[in-house]
Amino acid sequence: GESVGLHLPTLSVQEGDNSIINCAYSNSASDYFIWYKQESGKGPQFIIDIRSNMDKRQGQRVTVLLNKTVKHLSLQIAATQPGDSAVYFCAGRAVGGSNYKLTFGKGTLLTVNP
Amino acid sequence: DAMVIQNPRYQVTQFGKPVTLSCSQTLNHNVMYWYQQKSSQAPKLLFHYYDKDFNNEADTPDNFQSRRPNTSFCFLDIRSPGLGDAAMYLCATSRDRGRTEQYFGPGTRLTVT
Repeated sequence: GESVGLHLPTLSVQEGDNSIINCAYSNSASDYFIWYKQESGKGPQFIIDIRSNMDKRQGQRVTVLLNKTVKHLSLQIAATQPGDSAVYFCAGRAVGGSNYKLTFGKGTLLTVNP
Repeated sequence: DAMVIQNPRYQVTQFGKPVTLSCSQTLNHNVMYWYQQKSSQAPKLLFHYYDKDFNNEADTPDNFQSRRPNTSFCFLDIRSPGLGDAAMYLCATSRDRGRTEQYFGPGTRLTVT
C-alpha cells in the first residue's frame, strides 16, 4: 500500500519569504502525487500535481519537486503571503490494486507572519 | 460557479438518529468520493462510486452507506450516528479513477449530540 507522511507538522514563515513543505512516501511504485491546500472550515483545494515521470513541475508561485530515489517530494511556495496560511496535504496514488485511491499525508500547518 | 456542492454545510444530529448528507456536482465527472476528516487529521476515504459501481473501503463501518441516484448527486447516509462520527465529511469528484485530480466540495461539518 501507499503511506504518505510529512516531516513537519507546522511551519512558520515571514511574509515574502519562500516556504518549503516536505513529504515522504513509502511505495516506490507510486506514480502520481497531488498537493492540496486546506483553509480552516473549507475543503481541500488543488494546488499542483506531478507524475512520476517528472522531477519538477511549476505553477504560479509554486513548484513541486519529486525525488524518486529517496521517495520524497516537496512543495515550494515563492514569496509567501498571508493568504497562503493553511494546512497543506500531499497525497499519493499507488500503482495497481486500488489504483483509484489517493492516500493523504498528515498535513503541515503553514503560518505566514506579516 | 461552484463545481462540487455540499448541503448542508453544518448538520447537527442526535446520537442514533439517522442523518443524510448530500453532494452534487456540475462537472459531469464519473467518480464521486466521500471522505471523513476529523480535526487536525488527513481526509480518510470511506467509499466511492465509479459511475453506478459502488466501491467500499475495507475499514468503513457498516453504519455508513451511500447512494448515487444519478451522475450529479451522491448521498452519505449515517444510519445510527455515534459521538465518534462527528467530523467534517468531504465529497470529491474526479473525471475518472486514473491519474486525475480530485475536486473537493466545501464539506459538511457534522455534530452529534
